Amino acid sequence: EDKVVQSPLSLVVHEGDTVTLNCSYEVTNFRSLLWYKQEKKAPTFLFMLTSSGIEKKSGRLSSILDKKELFSILNITATQTGDSAVYLCAVETYGGATNKLIFGTGTLLAVQP
Amino acid sequence: NAGVTQTPKFQVLKTGQSMTLQCAQDMNHNSMYWYRQDPGMGLRLIYYSASEGTTDKGEVPNGYNVSRLNKREFSLRLESAAPSQTSVYFCASSETGLAPGALAKNIQYFGAGTRLSVL
Repeated sequence: EDKVVQSPLSLVVHEGDTVTLNCSYEVTNFRSLLWYKQEKKAPTFLFMLTSSGIEKKSGRLSSILDKKELFSILNITATQTGDSAVYLCAVETYGGATNKLIFGTGTLLAVQP
Repeated sequence: NAGVTQTPKFQVLKTGQSMTLQCAQDMNHNSMYWYRQDPGMGLRLIYYSASEGTTDKGEVPNGYNVSRLNKREFSLRLESAAPSQTSVYFCASSETGLAPGALAKNIQYFGAGTRLSVL
């Protein structure tokens, strides 16, 4: 059975800290791994990773994929209160006419002033 | 550009009532999806539509039906609501590219969600 596991489940940090969120997976027909940020409403897309060892970066956020060890990490440096959210990891699999996403349960990040 | 629009935003039903959740996207995407999100369970796929005129079951389809009305719209129907269907429902869409070089087309974009309570 395909599964995606995120850790930690929740995390409380202070502004300025650096955090690392983890995502491990076991799926058939892996195509890509995606990170989303979910505040009060819709998950919003952060990164799509397809190749091992190539870092994706956007401002203070960065992510990397290891396809051999089947995991990804999301780093946030110099955290701000606006980074408080649930961070979702999803693995894209292909098994028919379209892709499907298998989601982890998310990591709840709270950044305190 | 509105992206993915869901209605209603909130709904309270009594057990046994029926309702339809509406979803529309204006990005000319081929594929559309319905998920439910429950505490500790993550997002789970209910149904999806790879293209206009096709629908398929996802991980948790029982108790639901869907209609892909046209390329823009994908509705989710609860025929006889049960308390176990209390959840937050999200619609998503993607352009969908099946070729190896088209992976970026498979990014799914989400609506703002519908919070449903079944009493």
